[in-house]
Amino acid sequence: EAQVTQNPRYLITVTGKKLTVTCSQNMNHEYMSWYRQDPGLGLRQIYYSMNVEVTDKGDVPEGYKVSRKEKRNFPLILESPSPNQTSLYFCASRPRQGSEMNQPQHFGDGTRLSIL
Amino acid sequence: AQKVTQAQTEISVVEKEDVTLDCVYETRDTTYYLFWYKQPPSGELVFLIRRNSFDEQNEISGRYSWNFQKSTSSFNFTITASQVVDSAVYFCALSEAVYNAGNMLTFGGGTRLMVKP
Repeated sequence: EAQVTQNPRYLITVTGKKLTVTCSQNMNHEYMSWYRQDPGLGLRQIYYSMNVEVTDKGDVPEGYKVSRKEKRNFPLILESPSPNQTSLYFCASRPRQGSEMNQPQHFGDGTRLSIL
Repeated sequence: AQKVTQAQTEISVVEKEDVTLDCVYETRDTTYYLFWYKQPPSGELVFLIRRNSFDEQNEISGRYSWNFQKSTSSFNFTITASQVVDSAVYFCALSEAVYNAGNMLTFGGGTRLMVKP
């Protein structure tokens, strides 16, 4: 089954304690991205990656890092989380080339982070 | 810069009523894509429709229909004979043409639809 898998689904942690949210897709997609969802603001893009070792900032990258060492994985790293990063996070993937690149992004089920 | 506005933050209807969710967008691109996603209480994002900027035909899928009007930069979504299971947050989104490097989805703020029995 084609899917984007995020872990963990829920996390409560404290300010300053480094955390990583993993994202893995099994569709061999080149393009992956991270969004955060906040009330009234919809989803905003944090980072995206066009392929392995190619990443770039989205609209709200401050406080986040990403890496793309393998095609299937795109972890989101919060080196020193703060309460304003409490949010619902989504990972997404899509083909970048070929006839499939017009298709909508596949989203993971979301990760709810609470930073105390 | 792209922008998507969903002016209705919350709508409440009674089952079987028709309801229209508004979406207005801004973009300088001549080629772009518009999307609607549904987010039920369980939290996942469910893709509903994608429409490219060259196709202004309205679309109907069961009780759902979409009205794309380039002249007013709107892509409205109508649910006919609403049901309790339609209760969700609905997002409208815009994407630049696929040849653009970022190809980011720009989302509206969402409309929470509550359908009461």
